[in-house]
Amino acid sequence: EPEVTQTPSHQVTQMGQEVILRCVPISNHLYFYWYRQILGQKVEFLVSFYNNEISEKSEIFDDQFSVERPDGSNFTLKIRSTKLEDSAMYFCASSVRTGSGETQYFGPGTRLLVL
Amino acid sequence: GNSVTQMEGPVTLSEEAFLTINCTYTATGYPSLFWYVQYPGEGLQLLLKATKADDKGSNKGFEATYRKETTSFHLEKGSVQVSDSAVYFCALPDIQGAQKLVFGQGTRLTINP
Repeated sequence: EPEVTQTPSHQVTQMGQEVILRCVPISNHLYFYWYRQILGQKVEFLVSFYNNEISEKSEIFDDQFSVERPDGSNFTLKIRSTKLEDSAMYFCASSVRTGSGETQYFGPGTRLLVL
Repeated sequence: GNSVTQMEGPVTLSEEAFLTINCTYTATGYPSLFWYVQYPGEGLQLLLKATKADDKGSNKGFEATYRKETTSFHLEKGSVQVSDSAVYFCALPDIQGAQKLVFGQGTRLTINP
């Protein structure tokens, strides 16, 4: 069964450094998402992406964040200058819309720790 | 936007016990409803879904019925196993036709042998 994959599984970085989190969505999916989950808290939406542009973003997704689909398979989340509060599990998701609606499938996550 | 409230955890049960995890929602219209599960050290996996009122989603012995009268989507399993120990999340789209999902706070379930 096709799966969303994410790399790396864990990333430790120093505050102020740039990080790039990578995702390979399910191949025939057209909608892509990033969510994050700070330890012990709810899963929060960050951004959605369709047709090579952002379709929606949350208040969390400020100028320090960007997303890109550099080729036909990868979908990346970049944090330009990480802060301590960016430490979280980051989930990528992808979906395709059918007549019965949309179901998002999530990757295993990247655990980011900012020191 | 839409919102979801989940039963607070943690929930601890013995193997073969009956499980109910409550989920109620507030929504405009009748959005699809989802349960996701997060096993220890893993990501979110879709457990089941229901796309319209009175639908029952089921998977791996778990069931949830979309009840518009009570705006609920409670997760049930008749006989839990140790391997069901995980965090369970109820979710729905933020607004009608929207893409982003809104999640409940999660319910941690521990099953003891």
